[in-house]
Amino acid sequence: NAGVMQNPRHLVRRRGQEARLRCSPVKGHSHVYWYRQLPEEGLKFMVYLQKENIIDESGMPKERFSAEFPKEGPSILRIQQVVRGDSAAYFCASSPGQAVGQPQHFGDGTRLSIL
Amino acid sequence: GENVGLHLPTLSVQEGDNSIINCAYSNSASDYFIWYKQESGKGPQFIIDIRSNMDKRQGQRVTVLLNKTVKHLSLQIAATQPGDSAVYFCAESNTGGFKTIFGAGTRLFVKA
Repeated sequence: NAGVMQNPRHLVRRRGQEARLRCSPVKGHSHVYWYRQLPEEGLKFMVYLQKENIIDESGMPKERFSAEFPKEGPSILRIQQVVRGDSAAYFCASSPGQAVGQPQHFGDGTRLSIL
Repeated sequence: GENVGLHLPTLSVQEGDNSIINCAYSNSASDYFIWYKQESGKGPQFIIDIRSNMDKRQGQRVTVLLNKTVKHLSLQIAATQPGDSAVYFCAESNTGGFKTIFGAGTRLFVKA
């Protein structure tokens, strides 16, 4: 009964490179959320996706960041031309639906470090 | 900005004592609240939730209290154990919504 799986757990990139973060939701969950967390801070909502659709990307920077959740395969958070300020932990969560009363299940995150 | 906040950034308690972690929220439209526990290097782990039509809910060693009048949420941990040491986040959302807003977190230290 696997939970949310994120990989890689740690990712190091140089400025200007691309970072790809992957998230496989709990089996049967069709809703995926991405959050960003800086040290000693709470989680900041970035984007909410259902299969093949972006529902809300209001928390995601308009430039360099993109997310997808294809019909098959994991959800991907992509950061192009990374900068030092992108260094953070990125968490993915999933839920079976959108209804109230369904807590999100989180993965253990990808820690992104930009050199 | 965030509309969920915490009164205390850190809390230190003696093993065996009860812990109370507080949270204030400002969005009166929020009707679903969750407490998460986050251990170092891990993702948030669901502890307990409560809907706005309730003012108290109990789990195993944990109780969540909701006071809608003053927009206050608290998490009570009975007989705190070393394994309870972590950062605790309150979070809120509302019916039909999907965006969960997290507070800044409280770090709980349990002294043996």
